[in-house]
Amino acid sequence: EDQVTQSPEALRLQEGESSSLNCSYTVSGLRGLFWYRQDPGKGPEFLFTLYSAGEEKEKERLKATLTKKESFLHITAPKPEDSATYLCAVRSHSGGGADGLTFGKGTHLIIQP
Amino acid sequence: EAQVTQNPRYLITVTGKKLTVTCSQNMNHEYMSWYRQDPGLGLRQIYYSMNVEVTDKGDVPEGYKVSRKEKRNFPLILESPSPNQTSLYFCASSLGQGLMNTEAFFGQGTRLTVV
Repeated sequence: EDQVTQSPEALRLQEGESSSLNCSYTVSGLRGLFWYRQDPGKGPEFLFTLYSAGEEKEKERLKATLTKKESFLHITAPKPEDSATYLCAVRSHSGGGADGLTFGKGTHLIIQP
Repeated sequence: EAQVTQNPRYLITVTGKKLTVTCSQNMNHEYMSWYRQDPGLGLRQIYYSMNVEVTDKGDVPEGYKVSRKEKRNFPLILESPSPNQTSLYFCASSLGQGLMNTEAFFGQGTRLTVV
């Protein structure tokens, strides 16, 4: 059974204070790791897909990296508008469902001005 | 604009009164699914559909039904809602499971309260 664990559950940073969010996973054959951003009361918004260990992707102040056991979402010099819940999900060869996504519980990030 | 549209956004109903939450996507995606999101439990898949007339159970299907008569629509049906189905529901679609690592697009959510 696929498992995804995100840490920390919540993180409060000052504006400009860089940090990283962690996503640890256990799967049988990773077919992709996904990062989503979710604002309160809204649907998850796609950020990145990572396919293989060593891969990195960047978008504005966000950078996602992947190893064989975990992924990090690095946030550089964050702004208040980066406040959101960040979700990690995996798709594996053994996962069920049409898209086979298994989600972590998310990291609730608050950036204080 | 590519999107997944759910209706209604908010719904309060009484126990046992049948309801339907609609979901429509305009991206010609083959795969659609329903999730519920509860505090402390994260997103959990209810049902999914691999194509028209092909549906199957996800992780938490009890008390729900779905249908896929058209490619773009995937309604979620609660025949006899109960208070434990109070939750935030999301519909999602993706291009195709056979393709590598395609991301899922989510609707804006339906907040359901069953009293």
